[in-house]
Amino acid sequence: EDQVTQSPEALRLQEGESSSLNCSYTVSGLRGLFWYRQDPGKGPEFLFTLYSAGEEKEKERLKATLTKKESFLHITAPKPEDSATYLCAVHRLGAGGTSYGKLTFGQGTILTVHP
Amino acid sequence: DGGITQSPKYLFRKEGQNVTLSCEQNLNHDAMYWYRQDPGQGLRLIYYSQIVNDFQKGDIAEGYSVSREKKESFPLTVTSAQKNPTAFYLCASRLTGEAEAFFGQGTRLTVV
Repeated sequence: EDQVTQSPEALRLQEGESSSLNCSYTVSGLRGLFWYRQDPGKGPEFLFTLYSAGEEKEKERLKATLTKKESFLHITAPKPEDSATYLCAVHRLGAGGTSYGKLTFGQGTILTVHP
Repeated sequence: DGGITQSPKYLFRKEGQNVTLSCEQNLNHDAMYWYRQDPGQGLRLIYYSQIVNDFQKGDIAEGYSVSREKKESFPLTVTSAQKNPTAFYLCASRLTGEAEAFFGQGTRLTVV
């Protein structure tokens, strides 16, 4: 069974204090790992897709990296507007190498950035 | 503008009632999904559909039903058999062959 575990559950930072969020996963036939941002009462907003170990993606103050067992979301010099819940999800191959279609999510990390 | 529209934003259900949550997309995506989100938990998959007139149960399908008569629409019915329906419900879609899913803004269902 696919498993996705995110840590820490909550992270409080001062503005400008860089840090990282972790997403550990157990899945056979990883098709992709995804990061989403979710604001309170809203649907998740897509950030990044990572497909293979060693891959990195960047967007403004965010950088996502992937190894064979985990992914990190690095936040450089965060601002209060980066406060949100960050979700990680995995997508795996189905039988015969086809796209299975199911995304399995972690429980999320609640990030709070204080001015 | 292309996107996913969920309605209503807030929904109140009495004990023993069935209610239907709407999800419409104009992204021309083949696959559509329903997730449930509870406080402190991640998203849990209820049902998904990869083509019209076909759908599969997710991890927590008991007490829910869906239909996929049109590519654009994937309504979710929360039946009276669902014992704890109060939650935030999210609909998503993805283009088959592309992995990322795009989400609607959610429906918050409360049992009164």
